[in-house]
Amino acid sequence: DIQMTQSPSALSASVGDRVTITCRASLSITSFVNWYQQKPGRAPKLLVSAASNLQSGVPSRFSGSGSGTEFTLTISSLQPEDFATYFCQQSYGIPRTFGQGTKVEI
Amino acid sequence: QVQLQESGPGLVRPAETLSLICTVSGGSMSNFYWSWIRLPPGKELEWIGYIYSSGTTKYNPSLKSRVTMSVDTSKNQFSLRLNSVTAADTAVYYCAREFNLGFHYYMDVWGKGTTVAVSS
Repeated sequence: DIQMTQSPSALSASVGDRVTITCRASLSITSFVNWYQQKPGRAPKLLVSAASNLQSGVPSRFSGSGSGTEFTLTISSLQPEDFATYFCQQSYGIPRTFGQGTKVEI
Repeated sequence: QVQLQESGPGLVRPAETLSLICTVSGGSMSNFYWSWIRLPPGKELEWIGYIYSSGTTKYNPSLKSRVTMSVDTSKNQFSLRLNSVTAADTAVYYCAREFNLGFHYYMDVWGKGTTVAVSS
């Protein structure tokens, strides 16, 4: 299985901060990474596909980058509605695997 | 707007079979992959598998011997059966649609999840 190591597992930030979350794959997966946001009691929401494609309707303060084994999700200016858990997922192979998640807290 | 809703028992006895249904509303099931994912307490998300609208399946090798997925496009539903459950199968279970664009796949629609506890 492809291991996705996500860091940090949690972070404390303030409104307006720049936040960066990293995922490292156990082997090269080119750009086959997706990023999701989840809030308590709600369905996960797709933010970024194929490493850097921002989904329609997702604010432009979110961006994804990386290729090969290192990927990042960046929130350029954290907003109150961004406090949530974020996780990465690889779609290079079967089984699909996920990062451990990053909880963004105040 | 496609929406997914999981349904099924919240409590399953050890050694019995966990059965869940995901109902799709607001769109067709045709030509999509339909996935099940779970989140055990304190652990990371685990992909259980997917079924294509035609019925072709792919399962996580770690669960393959116990998993069966099926699809009924006439009812706009797909289902998960996991047999011989243990406490380790306690989790929030999600259904999701896996969309493919060229070579890239991503889960663009998810259900809210349903909690299943395995306990006597």
